[in-house]
Amino acid sequence: QQQVKQSPQSLIVQKGGISIINCAYENTAFDYFPWYQQFPGKGPALLIAIRPDVSEKKEGRFTISFNKSAKQFSLHIMDSQPGDSATYFCAASSKGTYKYIFGTGTRLKVLA
Amino acid sequence: KAGVTQTPRYLIKTRGQQVTLSCSPISGHRSVSWYQQTPGQGLQFLFEYFSETQRNKGNFPGRFSGRQFSNSRSEMNVSTLELGDSALYLCASSGTGASYEQYFGPGTRLTVT
Repeated sequence: QQQVKQSPQSLIVQKGGISIINCAYENTAFDYFPWYQQFPGKGPALLIAIRPDVSEKKEGRFTISFNKSAKQFSLHIMDSQPGDSATYFCAASSKGTYKYIFGTGTRLKVLA
Repeated sequence: KAGVTQTPRYLIKTRGQQVTLSCSPISGHRSVSWYQQTPGQGLQFLFEYFSETQRNKGNFPGRFSGRQFSNSRSEMNVSTLELGDSALYLCASSGTGASYEQYFGPGTRLTVT
């Protein structure tokens, strides 16, 4: 019940295309859902995060869509660029804690 | 503001030894969390400290321990190292308030031989 399932494991997208990464959870106590981007040799960097009281949040080319009833959330990267090539992790935490449960990661490659 | 800093960045140890890793959070942040990242298990939560107290703990053996100092800097210690402890150890800091954002450092790459 503590797991966060992430798919796909890897993704190849053409430059200018839309990259979509999905995550699903079981624990209804989760109430904070961040997405992180990690480049090789670096720590994860916070991209965008959402709480379950909204269904969508957009920041620049990055959008989180959240479906509370289905217990799913997804990251959309619009106009994907080669510089977006990285590993993306979704995560979830319960109210009042900083204990993140991470998904297994998606390796994104954007072709020039 | 300076980001989260971790020292050392790379470390090679032998089985059975112990190791101490250090983390300095973003100025003003009082919560520090530690995570282990491996290709097989992904990112796993170790523990979280706030105001020198451990608030949360993950499912790791007692060989993994940590502490936090009054200036919010934190250390984690792994005793009796095993080959499986080879990993990237990440520290994350968080501010107070309603936001639960965590900001990660670059990590310490530990190799156990």
